[in-house]
Amino acid sequence: SQQGEEDPQALSIQEGENATMNCSYKTSINNLQWYRQNSGRGLVHLILIRSNEREKHSGRLRVTLDTSKKSSSLLITASRAADTASYFCATVDNAGKSTFGDGTTLTVKP
Amino acid sequence: EAGVVQSPRYKIIEKKQPVAFWCNPISGHNTLYWYRQNLGQGPELLIRYENEEAVDDSQLPKDRFSAERLKGVDSTLKIQPAELGDSAVYLCASSTPGYTEAFFGQGTRLTVV
Repeated sequence: SQQGEEDPQALSIQEGENATMNCSYKTSINNLQWYRQNSGRGLVHLILIRSNEREKHSGRLRVTLDTSKKSSSLLITASRAADTASYFCATVDNAGKSTFGDGTTLTVKP
Repeated sequence: EAGVVQSPRYKIIEKKQPVAFWCNPISGHNTLYWYRQNLGQGPELLIRYENEEAVDDSQLPKDRFSAERLKGVDSTLKIQPAELGDSAVYLCASSTPGYTEAFFGQGTRLTVV
């Protein structure tokens, strides 16, 4: 069963616009991670946010975590065509078990 | 530094045949994961190793799937016999201890016909 659920399932934007993806989960976590997957490739780790953190930045990425609402969001600013990919959130619980959602497919049009 | 290496990249087999996948994790990574990813879905954890020990295999269909990690380095995942529903991408990942980021291999795309 999947714990993380991403929303929306698909997102299409123009180059230069911002993209926001959301992730909701059900049980307590140690940390939450976001990954990117290009078509036919493996997953690439983007950012990790721990349960005691509320916001983290990495380049054009901004992640927020609200443990009271059991939700996280990933914001990609000034998107580029190369950002076109599927984005997954993964929760890691205090036993180290990781659970992925079904992802958001982002299309950035040039 | 080499990443996680998986082989083969693609495998087509007939149902009821056996198949095996191999994974070489990043050097020094004690934690190794096998995931299965169906089309349009996120990866589903099959098994997690800490060194040689399988610490979470609750999602591994033990009637037909088996895995081993000899000497706490390379790992193999086997399916015997394969069923049509096993068609998927099998991903291996590794990480350092402490629930850190996982590094994924390119995966093995299995097609059972």
